[in-house]
Amino acid sequence: NAGVTQTPKFQVLKTGQSMTLQCAQDMNHEYMSWYRQDPGMGLRLIHYSVGAGITDQGEVPNGYNVSRSTTEDFPLRLLSAAPSQTSVYFCASSYGPGEDTQYFGPGTRLTVL
Amino acid sequence: GENVEQHPSTLSVQEGDSAVIKCTYSDSASNYFPWYKQELGKGPQLIIDIRSNVGEKKDQRIAVTLNKTAKHFSLHITETQPEDSAVYFCAAPNDMRFGAGTRLTVKP
Repeated sequence: NAGVTQTPKFQVLKTGQSMTLQCAQDMNHEYMSWYRQDPGMGLRLIHYSVGAGITDQGEVPNGYNVSRSTTEDFPLRLLSAAPSQTSVYFCASSYGPGEDTQYFGPGTRLTVL
Repeated sequence: GENVEQHPSTLSVQEGDSAVIKCTYSDSASNYFPWYKQELGKGPQLIIDIRSNVGEKKDQRIAVTLNKTAKHFSLHITETQPEDSAVYFCAAPNDMRFGAGTRLTVKP
């Protein structure tokens, strides 16, 4: 199993550009989530999904969109990138929310100029 | 919502010493308490977890203790080794909130 994969590993954007961060898992997990990690602030939840076709907002959803058309994939879209979105982004998956181990991808380091 | 406070933010120990990291939470409905380790350039990885029906769990040099009355749980690492150097996170996943992290440095 590849586990949780994320692409790209690094990305530089200009303010106002849009892009999609890709996330895929091959563990047949129902629950998937996106976090951003900033220095001194730990991991903050952006959006999550409890199954295909179902998504919901986390702690810091503004400026991001998600969709879940399949169990395997959970892309994160930046609509109009801002310097405040410079961060490291992690995708995670688990069998269910709340009381299950989360498996994290390797992360995407995004810089917005 | 759940607030998760983690202390200390940095911890430096000599190889062979013990390290303790503590997390406090606010939501008494939490029943699952994991600890994750993040090495440089990688995603967090679960190292140990505990559920609310037990007070302590051990896995070789790592242990987690839970005090539900006081709403805190702690990570204990004994006989620390340089490869234990990393950032450690606690989480209250009932609300998907993580502590701010503890950077542990083990000096040889």
